[in-house]
Amino acid sequence: DQQVKQNSPSLSVQEGRISILNCDYTNSMFDYFLWYKKYPAEGPTFLISISSIKDKNEDGRFTVFLNKSAKHLSLHIVPSQPGDSAVYFCAVMNYGGSQGNLIFGKGTKLSVKP
Amino acid sequence: ETGVTQSPTHLIKTRGQQVTLRCSSQSGHNTVSWYQQALGQGPQFIFQYYREEENGRGNFPPRFSGLQFPNYSSELNVNALELDDSALYLCASSLDRYSPLHFGNGTRLTVT
Repeated sequence: DQQVKQNSPSLSVQEGRISILNCDYTNSMFDYFLWYKKYPAEGPTFLISISSIKDKNEDGRFTVFLNKSAKHLSLHIVPSQPGDSAVYFCAVMNYGGSQGNLIFGKGTKLSVKP
Repeated sequence: ETGVTQSPTHLIKTRGQQVTLRCSSQSGHNTVSWYQQALGQGPQFIFQYYREEENGRGNFPPRFSGLQFPNYSSELNVNALELDDSALYLCASSLDRYSPLHFGNGTRLTVT
């Protein structure tokens, strides 16, 4: 049974608009949440993270929102650029765990059209 | 600064054979984690090594084993290969157990 769900396999957005990628998790013991981006033929690259004591974290064009009661997090990219086209993975970490032991979702493929 | 490098990039093996995949961690990183990414899935944690000791293992059978060397490079060994072992194998290193992962580009293993 999937502990981390990214229910949208793909998302298409126009350049300059907002991209919103969603992720749901099942276990309230998860307390650290990350987003990774993956281009074809490359390994995933860390993008942004948030701990369970916060509900928002921003880094430039990227913002992650955490709703603990709904066990939901989202990644907002504003404005979206063609170079953002990639597969985005949501990942979670157990309380007291290490970042080496992450649970990943299946990913959402984002396409940003010029 | 050299990133995480994995070898080989592609590999084809026959069911029942054994395979060794190699990973050189990023300079200064003492922790290595291995992940398996099947087609259409997210990466799945296999195990982590910290200072040459296994420091956590995912839901993989014992025929998946690993090593970490004094220079913090690492190997993943898979015995008695099965068709379902066909996947992208990703190695990631980190400064310590709590720092973000830096992934290599992976080894694509095909078992026929």
